Amino acid sequence: GENVEQHPSTLSVQEGDSAVIKCTYSDSASNYFPWYKQELGKRPQLIIDIRSNVGEKKDQRIAVTLNKTAKHFSLHITETQPEDSAVYFCAATIISGGYNKLIFGAGTRLAVHP
Amino acid sequence: GAVVSQHPSRVICKSGTSVKIECRSLDFQATTMFWYRQFPKQSLMLMATSNEGSKATYEQGVEKDKFLINHASLTLSTLTVTSAHPEDSSFYICSASLPDRWDNEQFFGPGTRLTVL
Repeated sequence: GENVEQHPSTLSVQEGDSAVIKCTYSDSASNYFPWYKQELGKRPQLIIDIRSNVGEKKDQRIAVTLNKTAKHFSLHITETQPEDSAVYFCAATIISGGYNKLIFGAGTRLAVHP
Repeated sequence: GAVVSQHPSRVICKSGTSVKIECRSLDFQATTMFWYRQFPKQSLMLMATSNEGSKATYEQGVEKDKFLINHASLTLSTLTVTSAHPEDSSFYICSASLPDRWDNEQFFGPGTRLTVL
């Protein structure tokens, strides 16, 4: 079936450094790619998303790039802060049974050390 | 806008009992809602798609007779875990999309922590 692969599974950086998380997807029809931040025991929080008609999107310290040809997209966090520490999930839509469903990557545990 | 609530936030039950979880869209009508399950330190796995007025669509490997889904109104979907067992202990999260939106953004409920003793 369709899947989304995410790397790395864990990422440790020093405060102020950049962090990059990469995902690949298999369904060429996917057209929406959100990124979520999840803190322990809480719901996923949308931090940025990108649609298939755009190659790059930026929101302050967070940016996402999309390469439709290669079917991969990446999350870039600059000037990391300790409060960025969390688990980050990428996702991609698939159309199945007439519905637009989200398939999630396995997650990346980001630790930002002061 | 686009707020989704879930109730209860956590529940502890004995093995063999059934548990109902409610998912509500508070400020919009959701014709489609999604149910996910998340085990500790794992990703969100889509269990089923709930559509108002019709039967839910289950993902491969999810037992429809064990996880009963009812989407009786445009603002409420329920998930009932029947004859729960310890291996059903998990974090259950629902989501909903705004109708007539093409961008597929989903709004997540706060989740329900189920513990089966």
